[in-house]
Amino acid sequence: GDSVTQMEGPVTLSEEAFLTINCTYTATGYPSLFWYVQYPGEGLQLLLKATKADDKGSNKGFEATYRKETTSFHLEKGSVQVSDSAVYFCALISGSARQLTFGSGTQLTVLP
Amino acid sequence: GAVVSQHPSRVICKSGTSVKIECRSLDFQATTMFWYRQFPKKSLMLMATSNEGSKATYEQGVEKDKFLINHASLTLSTLTVTSAHPEDSSFYICSARVTGEYGYTFGSGTRLTVV
Repeated sequence: GDSVTQMEGPVTLSEEAFLTINCTYTATGYPSLFWYVQYPGEGLQLLLKATKADDKGSNKGFEATYRKETTSFHLEKGSVQVSDSAVYFCALISGSARQLTFGSGTQLTVLP
Repeated sequence: GAVVSQHPSRVICKSGTSVKIECRSLDFQATTMFWYRQFPKKSLMLMATSNEGSKATYEQGVEKDKFLINHASLTLSTLTVTSAHPEDSSFYICSARVTGEYGYTFGSGTRLTVV
């Protein structure tokens, strides 16, 4: 079955540091890939997505590139802010599946 | 954009009572909604898929009689936790797939505490 593996957290960075959160996947066919963000006490918000190989999703300074050859979708941001502190989930959907498959989530804390 | 409104955001109930959580799609019709449970510092666990006008599909290990799901209209799905116990305390989140897009929109979640 489909699965998503994320780097384990928590991740603690200083403001303006570079962020990478690794995500790899296994799936049948060619999945669509997503990053969701969850702020404390809230639901999930779509951060970015990519629907085919070599696509780059980007939003709010975050980027992730769909790498078919390495089955990866790593999340990056060049300069994090305190307001980026949240839990980040990598997810996919493939084939005829109707629901998302989530990774375990990575807690990010950015210190001023 | 597509918005799912989830209520209540927080609820505290006594053991043995039932709690209803509502999810409404505000500006679109949701034929399918998904209910997730999230444990502290853990990922989302899909509990069930709610289909408008038909019975919900439950994931393995989820008690159908404990977590009653009703999807009576295209804009409303409800999850009722029956005879709640402290171990049911968790964060519950609903989600709907937005028609025509490869994306899902999520409710803001409900923090359930059973005392």
